Amino acid sequence: DVKVTQSSRYLVKRTGEKVFLECVQDMDHENMFWYRQDPGLGLRLIYFSYDVKMKEKGDIPEGYSVSREKKERFSLILESASTNQTSMYLCASSPQTGYTEAFFGQGTRLTVV
Amino acid sequence: TQLLEQSPQFLSIQEGENLTVYCNSSSVFSSLQWYRQEPGEGPVLLVTVVTGGEVKKLKRLTFQFGDARKDSSLHITAAQTGDTGLYLCAGAGSQGNLIFGKGTKLSVKP
Repeated sequence: DVKVTQSSRYLVKRTGEKVFLECVQDMDHENMFWYRQDPGLGLRLIYFSYDVKMKEKGDIPEGYSVSREKKERFSLILESASTNQTSMYLCASSPQTGYTEAFFGQGTRLTVV
Repeated sequence: TQLLEQSPQFLSIQEGENLTVYCNSSSVFSSLQWYRQEPGEGPVLLVTVVTGGEVKKLKRLTFQFGDARKDSSLHITAAQTGDTGLYLCAGAGSQGNLIFGKGTKLSVKP
């Protein structure tokens, strides 16, 4: 069975902290994605990666960075957390470029106080 | 910019009723996917439609892809409380990413 695992279901962090959200997939997928989901705004793409050490900006990359040192792991980093980054964060993977069906993790509900 | 517009945004119905959710765009998509998301979980893929005019059935759910590949619909027959959730349509973006509609939140009451 396809599996995408996010390291935490719930996180509470303080303003200004550096926050790491980890995502691991066990399907040998080429592509990995980070989205945030907010009521009324839907899923918005933050960053994605086609290969190890490759990254591409999505629609809302400001305030975030990513790391993909191994094929199966894609990390989202909030350099200095702010309250407007309180959101549901979703990681996804898909097999290869052009194959767009995505498999999602269970999500991380991040609250920044 | 490729956008997917979903309607309605919210839908509240009684068990046993039928419903249709729409996903529209001014852009052509090579394929469209439908996902269902339950509260506190990630979206789960229901179906992918690829060919213009294609109709796919998944038990009580019927998915249709428009002839021009710019729109899609999801029809649920005799809705059940277990169908409650957020329904999302998505299509391939020009960069190989997925573009999502904002979703239709369905509530089926017993």
